Amino acid sequence: NAGVMQNPRHLVRRRGQEARLRCSPMKGHSHVYWYRQLPEEGLKFMVYLQKENIIDESGMPKERFSAEFPKEGPSILRIQQVVRGDSAAYFCASSLDGSNEQFFGPGTRLTVL
Amino acid sequence: AQSVTQPDIHITVSEGASLELRCNYSYGATPYLFWYVQSPGQGLQLLLKYFSGDTLVQGIKGFEAEFKRSQSSFNLRKPSVHWSDAAEYFCAVGATNRDDKIIFGKGTRLHILP
Repeated sequence: NAGVMQNPRHLVRRRGQEARLRCSPMKGHSHVYWYRQLPEEGLKFMVYLQKENIIDESGMPKERFSAEFPKEGPSILRIQQVVRGDSAAYFCASSLDGSNEQFFGPGTRLTVL
Repeated sequence: AQSVTQPDIHITVSEGASLELRCNYSYGATPYLFWYVQSPGQGLQLLLKYFSGDTLVQGIKGFEAEFKRSQSSFNLRKPSVHWSDAAEYFCAVGATNRDDKIIFGKGTRLHILP
């Protein structure tokens, strides 16, 4: 009965490269949320997706960031042309039915050199 | 706008002592309230949550929290801390509507003295 899975756990990129972060929700969950945690900060909401739909992307930076949750496969958070300020821990959470009972993955720690 | 305030950035207590971590929220309606714990380099684990009903909520690891509407607070307590409780604790608020995000406080880092 696996929980929310994220990979990679650690990702190192040079400035200007692309970062792809993956999230597999808990079995049976069709709602996925992405959060970003900057050093010494709490988690900040980025985007909420259901299968093939973006429900709320009010926390996503306007440029370089995108997210998808296809019908098959994991949810992907994509960051193009990364900059040092993108270095953070990115957490994915999933829920069964869009209620606030969200279960969190272990996170992906992105370091931009 | 929804917000969560954790006034204490760091708290240090001795092992075996009691603990209270403060959390105040701002929300226009009855919120859903959560406490999460994060160990270094780890993800978040839900300690407890309040949706409705009894305002004193019991959680895992011996933690409890009390919802006080008049004070807009949801403080976390534990009668006797263990060294393994050293971690970062996040209070969070969510809407009572579905399809809504959770707003997190900035966290309180708990240090335990032997």
